[in-house]
This record gives sequence, C-alpha cells and structure tokens, in this order.
Amino acid sequence: ELKVEQNPLFLSMQEGKNYTIYCNYSTTSDRLYWYRQDPGKSLESLFVLLSNGAVKQEGRLMASLDTKARLSTLHITAAVHDLSATYFCAVDVQDWGKFQFGAGTQVVVTP
Amino acid sequence: DGGITQSPKYLFRKEGQNVTLSCEQNLNHDAMYWYRQDPGQGLRLIYYSQIVNDFQKGDIAEGYSVSREKKESFPLTVTSAQKNPTAFYLCASSIGDIQYFGAGTRLSVL
Repeated sequence: ELKVEQNPLFLSMQEGKNYTIYCNYSTTSDRLYWYRQDPGKSLESLFVLLSNGAVKQEGRLMASLDTKARLSTLHITAAVHDLSATYFCAVDVQDWGKFQFGAGTQVVVTP
Repeated sequence: DGGITQSPKYLFRKEGQNVTLSCEQNLNHDAMYWYRQDPGQGLRLIYYSQIVNDFQKGDIAEGYSVSREKKESFPLTVTSAQKNPTAFYLCASSIGDIQYFGAGTRLSVL
C-alpha cells in the first residue's frame, strides 16, 4: 500500500525563522507536488517537481525532491504571517495524474 | 475566465436521500477527479475520469457514483449507501502535470 507521510503535522513558526516540512513516500515516483490550502478554501498549486534533484523556489518557499530517498522537503525561509496555511504534498502514483496526498502540515506563524 | 466551478458551496442531506454535487470546467481538460477531505486529513480519491464516457473508482468509491457524459462536467452523487457523508468535497481537473481544484462543496447531514 502506497503511503505518503508528512511531518510534522503541525508546525508553530516564529516570524523570521526558518523551518522545513518533510514528505516521505513509499513508492517509486519522480513526480511530486506541493499545494497550499487556506482554511475552508480550495487547494493552490505551489510546486511541481518532476525529476530527481529538482529544486523550485518561489519567494520564501523552496521545494526539493530526492527520488532515491523518496523524500521531498519544503523549506520556509524567514517565516511571515501570510504563510499560515496547511501544506500538502502529493505523489503521482501512475504518472498520469492519480495523486496520493499526504495528511497535510498545518502551519501557524506567530510574531 | 477559465476555471473549475463547483456547486453548491454548501449542501445538506437528509437521511436516505441521494444528493448530487456539480463540477464544471471550461479549461478543456481531459481528466477530472473527485476527492473527499475530512477535518485535519488529506485528500482521498473517490472517482476519476481520464476521458469522456469513462471513469474509474478511486480509493473510497463505495456509496458514491459519477458520470462523465460531457468533457466539461463530472457530477458526483452521494447515495444513501454512504453512511458518513459529512465532509468537504473537492473536484479537480488536469492536463499535463498539475491538478487544478475547484472551491469545494461542504456537505453536511441533517
């Protein structure tokens, strides 16, 4: 059974500090996606990682993928309040869009 | 203005009742998906469709049914056989690598 595990599941961040969210998965896949969800809202695509060693950056967020370790990380630099949300990783299990999602990491950024 | 439209935003179901959630997209995407999200959890795949007139069960299809008669539309029916339907339902579509999501329908039981 495919498993996609995120940790931590809850992350309390202080503004200005750096943090990392981890996404481990149990199948061979080189397609991994990060999404953001605000409370009661839909999912917004953040990053698409399609090969081993892929690194994408947008503002204070940077995502990377290590397919050999079956691990993706989402690094947050100098956290700000606007980054408070739930972050999901998803693995494409059949290479055409059948995703398996992690449980999500709820991020709360406080002053 | 392209996108995915889900309706209604909120829906209440009585015991023994079937209800249908609408999902329409004007992105010309071939593939469409339905997910269920429970509080504090990730998304679980209910049904998916890669092409018109074809669909497959996802991980939690029991108690749900779908149709895909048009490329733009992928309605989800929550049947009376689904004993715990209260959840947030998200529809998505894709072409290529990214899935795009609608705003969701929140279903509750009266």
